[in-house]
Amino acid sequence: AQSVTQLGSHVSVSEGALVLLRCNYSSSVPPYLFWYVQYPNQGLQLLLKYTSAATLVKGINGFEAEFKKSETSFHLTKPSAHMSDAAEYFCAVSPMFSGGYNKLIFGAGTRLAVHP
Amino acid sequence: DGGITQSPKYLFRKEGQNVTLSCEQNLNHDAMYWYRQDPGQGLRLIYYSQIVNDFQKGDIAEGYSVSREKKESFPLTVTSAQKNPTAFYLCASSMKDSTQYFGPGTRLTVL
Repeated sequence: AQSVTQLGSHVSVSEGALVLLRCNYSSSVPPYLFWYVQYPNQGLQLLLKYTSAATLVKGINGFEAEFKKSETSFHLTKPSAHMSDAAEYFCAVSPMFSGGYNKLIFGAGTRLAVHP
Repeated sequence: DGGITQSPKYLFRKEGQNVTLSCEQNLNHDAMYWYRQDPGQGLRLIYYSQIVNDFQKGDIAEGYSVSREKKESFPLTVTSAQKNPTAFYLCASSMKDSTQYFGPGTRLTVL
């Protein structure tokens, strides 16, 4: 069984400050891990994904995430927040090497607010 | 442009009505998915389809139905049996590497 926990349903940062959004996962098999971003009344856009090629994954808009197996974590970071980063962020997990089309398990989401 | 389209963007339903949400993709993806999104609950899987003329129930299929007659299309019907249908509905598609790509969503409101 797989699950995802996103710590903090709301995170608020100042413009220019570090963004850290936390994601912990549970998986009985090696996982694929994803971060998606959602702007109001829009669909989800893929930020980045971990597929075992490298533990530090760089994504779009300056975001990156590090896979830490020992901590079962995949936290999302950005060195300097912009006002345009205000959105909801979702972490998701699916099993690796299943040979098929895998269901994604989503966390509950973290809403990021950026203030001047 | 390749992508996923959903229509309509906003949909209003009266009590007891069935409504159908459209999802079309031109990415040549084999698999398609329907999710429901409620505030504070993330996304929950309703139905998914890995191949034409085949689909499987997800975690919250009760009160919903789907069809997959064409690779490009995966419409979702919200039936009158769904007692709390007001939500944001998202369609997605993928190939075998698991990355799912999402449409813009349909917001359904029951009047």
